[in-house]
Amino acid sequence: GAVVSQHPSWVICKSGTSVKIECRSLDFQATTMFWYRQFPKQSLMLMATSNEGSKATYEQGVEKDKFLINHASLTLSTLTVTSAHPEDSSFYICSARGSSGSFTDTQYFGPGTRLTVL
Amino acid sequence: QKEVEQDPGPLSVPEGAIVSLNCTYSNSAFQYFMWYRQYSRKGPELLMYTYSSGNKEDGRFTAQVDKSSKYISLFIRDSQPSDSATYLCAMRTNNAGNMLTFGGGTRLMVKP
Repeated sequence: GAVVSQHPSWVICKSGTSVKIECRSLDFQATTMFWYRQFPKQSLMLMATSNEGSKATYEQGVEKDKFLINHASLTLSTLTVTSAHPEDSSFYICSARGSSGSFTDTQYFGPGTRLTVL
Repeated sequence: QKEVEQDPGPLSVPEGAIVSLNCTYSNSAFQYFMWYRQYSRKGPELLMYTYSSGNKEDGRFTAQVDKSSKYISLFIRDSQPSDSATYLCAMRTNNAGNMLTFGGGTRLMVKP
């Protein structure tokens, strides 16, 4: 149980285009979803936290107009990187947390999406 | 000083060895402690999840939490080459909005 999927797993795009990454909790309802960014050989950097039906809370230094997060349902969150530039190239990972007190009351991670902006 | 400190390694051990991975932390309010394993270019996988102090065992893995020393450990018995990965410790308080604070990760290499 507690499986989180991400799509796509790898995307290459041209500079200036927008890219949407989907994160789904497959077998549980995710009350909270998190989006992280990870550079090579570095640890995870939290970008934002989103609760279903609410606006995302962004970490300091993360541009909310550039990284649009939508958490429209209890099983789906999307991250859209708008007007992507080469410096946005990174590994983006989502995680999902289920209901408090349940076995999913911790963060389960997706497999990650590698974004390369040319 | 970081809230959670973890030796980045790499830690290289022979197959079959017992591996000890550790994290120290400074926030005494941390109550929940997790260990994740991350293979290269993959998302972290939850290995162990413990609450407060004590030990928890799952197969070849044992997690220990010593809140008095603000020190947590993950032991891997009979290590295998497939255990080669980066291990991340993570922890949170009761009321942090479930946000996790991660260690920087320790890279483990188990040589056949």
